[in-house]
Amino acid sequence: DVKVTQSSRYLVKRTGEKVFLECVQDMDHENMFWYRQDPGLGLRLIYFSYDVKMKEKGDIPEGYSVSREKKERFSLILESASTNQTSMYLCASSRQFSPYEQYFGPGTRLTVT
Amino acid sequence: AQTVTQSQPEMSVQEAETVTLSCTYDTSESDYYLFWYKQPPSRQMILVIRQEAYKQQNATENRFSVNFQKAAKSFSLKISDSQLGDAAMYFCAYRKDYGTDKLIFGTGTRLQVFP
Repeated sequence: DVKVTQSSRYLVKRTGEKVFLECVQDMDHENMFWYRQDPGLGLRLIYFSYDVKMKEKGDIPEGYSVSREKKERFSLILESASTNQTSMYLCASSRQFSPYEQYFGPGTRLTVT
Repeated sequence: AQTVTQSQPEMSVQEAETVTLSCTYDTSESDYYLFWYKQPPSRQMILVIRQEAYKQQNATENRFSVNFQKAAKSFSLKISDSQLGDAAMYFCAYRKDYGTDKLIFGTGTRLQVFP
């Protein structure tokens, strides 16, 4: 059974803190994605990785960075959290150059106070 | 740039009835994929149905079917015999056939199912 897991379901951080969100997939997928989900805005792509140590900016990369040191793990980093980064963060993975779907994790609800 | 529009922020349906969720998209590509994803209140997003643009036949998965109108750039989702478990956010998504594995999502439609 395919699985994408995220390190936390709920997280509360203070403004200015460095925040790490981790995502792990067990499907040997080449692609991994980080999205941000906000009401009325749908899912917006933050960063995308198509291979270990490779990354590509999505639509809203400002204020975020990513790390992919191993194929199965993709981390999203908020260098200095701000209140406007309060959101739901979804991780996904997919096979490269495949018409098949992305598989999603359960999401992390991050609140920055 | 490609865009995906879901013009219905909320919809409701009575159990056992049929409901149609709308999606339109804009692209200059001729080959692409379209998806409907479901996000139940527990938040794990799952694929409902996929349509390849080169296929004229509308995709069907049990009670879920699509009405794919390529010329009109329309991709609606029909849910027949609605069940309480169908209550969720539904997202329409687009992907080019080549060059990228990235999805472009619409803003979503929240579906409520009443007994």
